[in-house]
Amino acid sequence: ELKVEQNPLFLSMQEGKNYTIYCNYSTTSDRLYWYRQDPGKSLESLFVLLSNGAVKQEGRLMASLDTKARLSTLHITAAVHDLSATYFCAVGKSGGGADGLTFGKGTHLIIQP
Amino acid sequence: EPEVTQTPSHQVTQMGQEVILRCVPISNHLYFYWYRQILGQKVEFLVSFYNNEISEKSEIFDDQFSVERPDGSNFTLKIRSTKLEDSAMYFCASTRGGAFNQPQHFGDGTRLSIL
Repeated sequence: ELKVEQNPLFLSMQEGKNYTIYCNYSTTSDRLYWYRQDPGKSLESLFVLLSNGAVKQEGRLMASLDTKARLSTLHITAAVHDLSATYFCAVGKSGGGADGLTFGKGTHLIIQP
Repeated sequence: EPEVTQTPSHQVTQMGQEVILRCVPISNHLYFYWYRQILGQKVEFLVSFYNNEISEKSEIFDDQFSVERPDGSNFTLKIRSTKLEDSAMYFCASTRGGAFNQPQHFGDGTRLSIL
């Protein structure tokens, strides 16, 4: 059974600081996704990571994937208040094609001015 | 940009009643999904649907749940006899499929409240 663990689950930080969210998964996977969710809203796709060593960046967010360690990170650089949200990583089973995703519990991020 | 649309946005139903949640996936997408999120918890996969049949379902998706694509645009989730624990946000998602670099696109969700 595929399990996905995120940490931390809750993070309060100040604007301008850097921080990293970690996502570990339990079995081989060929695709990992990061989503953002604002309170009461839907899930917005941030990154798709498919191969070992993949790194994607968008603004102040950078995601990476280490398939050997079964670990993905989401790094926040010089945080700003607008990045306050809950961030989920989601993993698909290896060879699962377009099967359903297994989500982590999410990291609730609060960035204080 | 094309979106996944869901109706209604909020549904209040008495326990034991049937409820149908509706979704219109993005038009050129081929794979459709339902997920649920109990308040404050993680998103849980329910079912995936491709080529007019269920391709995968989770343990949550028991006999009280069913899905249907009644026409070329709608994708529905039916809960036959609702329970209190069915109260959650239900998200529909779709993806074009094929290349794995396509994320699943989520709708805004239907908040289901069972009384």
